[in-house]
Amino acid sequence: EPEVTQTPSHQVTQMGQEVILRCVPISNHLYFYWYRQILGQKVEFLVSFYNNEISEKSEIFDDQFSVERPDGSNFTLKIRSTKLEDSAMYFCASSVGWAGDEQFFGPGTRLTVL
Amino acid sequence: QQQVKQSPQSLIVQKGGISIINCAYENTAFDYFPWYQQFPGKGPALLIAIRPDVSEKKEGRFTISFNKSAKQFSLHIMDSQPGDSATYFCAASPAGGTSYGKLTFGQGTILTVHP
Repeated sequence: EPEVTQTPSHQVTQMGQEVILRCVPISNHLYFYWYRQILGQKVEFLVSFYNNEISEKSEIFDDQFSVERPDGSNFTLKIRSTKLEDSAMYFCASSVGWAGDEQFFGPGTRLTVL
Repeated sequence: QQQVKQSPQSLIVQKGGISIINCAYENTAFDYFPWYQQFPGKGPALLIAIRPDVSEKKEGRFTISFNKSAKQFSLHIMDSQPGDSATYFCAASPAGGTSYGKLTFGQGTILTVHP
């Protein structure tokens, strides 16, 4: 069964460092998302991406964040200068279509900022 | 207005019992209401979803009840099993515009089913 994959599973970084979280969405999906979940809290939307551009971003997704689809398979989230409060589980998701289609979530990357 | 409020925060039921989790929303633009199940260390997985044109949807032991006028929806798990022990999130997304795929999640309910 196709699935969304994410690497690494756990990333530890120092405050101020840049990190890139990687995702491989399901191959025939066209819509891509990043969500984050701070430990013990709800899942929060960060950004949606379609046709090589951002469709919508939340207020969390400030200038320190960027997304990219560098090739036909990968979808990345970059945090330029990490802060302690960026520590969270980051989930990538993808869907075939837009209108209520199931979003398939990856297993997540746990980011720890020290 | 974008919030989805979920209750209870945690729920303990006995095997074979009924688990009920409730959600309420304010944004009338929400048009799609999925429930996600999350096991520790895993990403959320879609369990069941409903649109506001129906008041109930059932898939196996899982049922969503939807009350459009009250802006509330709930998940019922019949014959709850220990394997159902997980965190459950309700979510909602709007009907139009670029926010179409943007899921707004509830706070989550930790369900524990005792054998």
